[in-house]
Amino acid sequence: AQSVTQLGSHVSVSEGALVLLRCNYSSSVPPYLFWYVQYPNQGLQLLLKYTSAATLVKGINGFEAEFKKSETSFHLTKPSAHMSDAAEYFCAVTSGGGADGLTFGKGTHLIIQP
Amino acid sequence: ETGVTQTPRHLVMGMTNKKSLKCEQHLGHNAMYWYKQSAKKPLELMFVYSLEERVENNSVPSRFSPECPNSSHLFLHLHTLQPEDSALYLCASSQRGHDEQFFGPGTRLTVL
Repeated sequence: AQSVTQLGSHVSVSEGALVLLRCNYSSSVPPYLFWYVQYPNQGLQLLLKYTSAATLVKGINGFEAEFKKSETSFHLTKPSAHMSDAAEYFCAVTSGGGADGLTFGKGTHLIIQP
Repeated sequence: ETGVTQTPRHLVMGMTNKKSLKCEQHLGHNAMYWYKQSAKKPLELMFVYSLEERVENNSVPSRFSPECPNSSHLFLHLHTLQPEDSALYLCASSQRGHDEQFFGPGTRLTVL
């Protein structure tokens, strides 16, 4: 069984400040990990993914995440927040192999203060 | 059309109605998924179709009935729903052997 825990249902940062969204996973097999973003009234858009290659993964819009096996973590970061980053962020895990469903965390709502 | 499309975008139905949600992917993928997104609950996987065969059904009530007539189309047939079934229903697709899933914009369903 797999699970994902996202710490903090809401995170508020000032514009220009560091963004850190936390994700911890549980998996009995080597995981494939993803971060998705959801803007209001839209579907999910892939930000980045980890599939057992480099542990530091760079994604779109200046986001990156680091896979740390020892900590079972895959935290999402961005050096400088922009107002357009305000959205809901979801961490997800799958065991890989294609055609497996994703197991999602509950999501973190990112608020950007001007 | 590009990516994954879903129709309708909004649907209001009574508990005795029968309706269907439609999903179409224009990415050449061979796996498709239905997810349910409720307020204050994690996204829940409902159904998985791979090569047009259902491979997973996560204990979804029988009032939800999926159909995958070909690799590009996925339907979710709804009948005698309950108010707690009100949610955003998301469709996704992927290519077998790859893990990245592409999502549609969702159908916002309200059951009265």
